[in-house]
Amino acid sequence: GENVEQHPSTLSVQEGDSAVIKCTYSDSASNYFPWYKQELGKRPQLIIDIRSNVGEKKDQRIAVTLNKTAKHFSLHITETQPEDSAVYFCAASRTGNTGKLIFGQGTTLQVKP
Amino acid sequence: IAGITQAPTSQILAAGRRMTLRCTQDMRHNAMYWYRQDLGLGLRLIHYSNTAGTTGKGEVPDGYSVSRANTDDFPLTLASAVPSQTSVYFCASGTGNTGELFFGEGSRLTVL
Repeated sequence: GENVEQHPSTLSVQEGDSAVIKCTYSDSASNYFPWYKQELGKRPQLIIDIRSNVGEKKDQRIAVTLNKTAKHFSLHITETQPEDSAVYFCAASRTGNTGKLIFGQGTTLQVKP
Repeated sequence: IAGITQAPTSQILAAGRRMTLRCTQDMRHNAMYWYRQDLGLGLRLIHYSNTAGTTGKGEVPDGYSVSRANTDDFPLTLASAVPSQTSVYFCASGTGNTGELFFGEGSRLTVL
């Protein structure tokens, strides 16, 4: 089955700096890679996703890159703000009826004002 | 308000007791999932259901069972709770064809 590894487990940056979180996956058939943000005490929520037919996707200050050959993908947050502080999870799955997502271990991002 | 509802929000349970966590969605999503969240281990898939009447095992299914009698409900049962099942449990639903998952608020379960 799929296995997703996420690094680092914790990340501390100064406000305004960039943050990068990296994930690797094991199943070469995986083709959907979302990122979820979980604020303290809240439920995880989707912030961005990428499918295997593209190498990069941006949404304002957030971008995700995908390298299918190396089986890794990354989340990039630019101009970080205190409200970006949260736990971020990457995930991977295949398309089709077995759309079960396998998550990474999570990264706790702290943005210091 | 459309969404996904879990109950109970929090529960303390004696080891050996039976417990059912309830999950209901009104978005008519075909797929539903149960995850457990533990510090340092992320979200681990327990069981899933692609459509009413079918279920499947996830990464950590032992000690848990599920049923999917209809589209809206997906209860998770611990037949005989053990302390290692102390966790926060999240139910989620989605279209099943890879897309956004919508999570419930979570159920915090403590097994003593």
